[in-house]
Amino acid sequence: QKEVEQDPGPLSVPEGAIVSLNCTYSNSAFQYFMWYRQYSRKGPELLMYTYSSGNKEDGRFTAQVDKSSKYISLFIRDSQPSDSATYLCAVFTGNQFYFGTGTSLTVIP
Amino acid sequence: DAGITQSPRHKVTETGTPVTLRCHQTENHRYMYWYRQDPGHGLRLIHYSYGVKDTDKGEVSDGYSVSRSKTEDFLLTLESATSSQTSVYFCAIKGELSGNTIYFGEGSWLTVV
Repeated sequence: QKEVEQDPGPLSVPEGAIVSLNCTYSNSAFQYFMWYRQYSRKGPELLMYTYSSGNKEDGRFTAQVDKSSKYISLFIRDSQPSDSATYLCAVFTGNQFYFGTGTSLTVIP
Repeated sequence: DAGITQSPRHKVTETGTPVTLRCHQTENHRYMYWYRQDPGHGLRLIHYSYGVKDTDKGEVSDGYSVSRSKTEDFLLTLESATSSQTSVYFCAIKGELSGNTIYFGEGSWLTVV
């Protein structure tokens, strides 16, 4: 069983839609939770991180963690064509980071 | 900008030749990582370092070696390149001051022919 599972998509939505991206993880020892955005032929860039259950908001982005069900989500409000990218979830414990395989998102103008 | 520079950014090499990728950081971070990213597999850890001369293996370390003789430089060597090592390689650093997060370089695209 992989440490982090992520639906690969692809996901295609119209501009202005609310996007929901989801991951599950296997180990309750994971302490930090992150979301990355990766544009084509670029390195992943950190979008958000959190270490507690609940919601964390940053502009149009909301990261949600439910430790009881080992579930993490990223919501994008008012999606824009510039949000078209691959989104990676990640978890951390000890010195190790574990990544989902990424969800490809396309926002259609 | 996490101050990470990877070189070379693109390389084509022949099977059986050694290849070294370089990662340079400017912010004195202790932890550095090398990942490869492949379709369907995502990011997989090759090796990581937790200080000068201190390194450890990741999940896909076979065929790779690393060295860290200075805090700022972390080298990844493919001892005898194979076609299965065609991939994009990312160096990363752990940002201790901003939570336990990881920041990536721009990647090195390697093709083994």
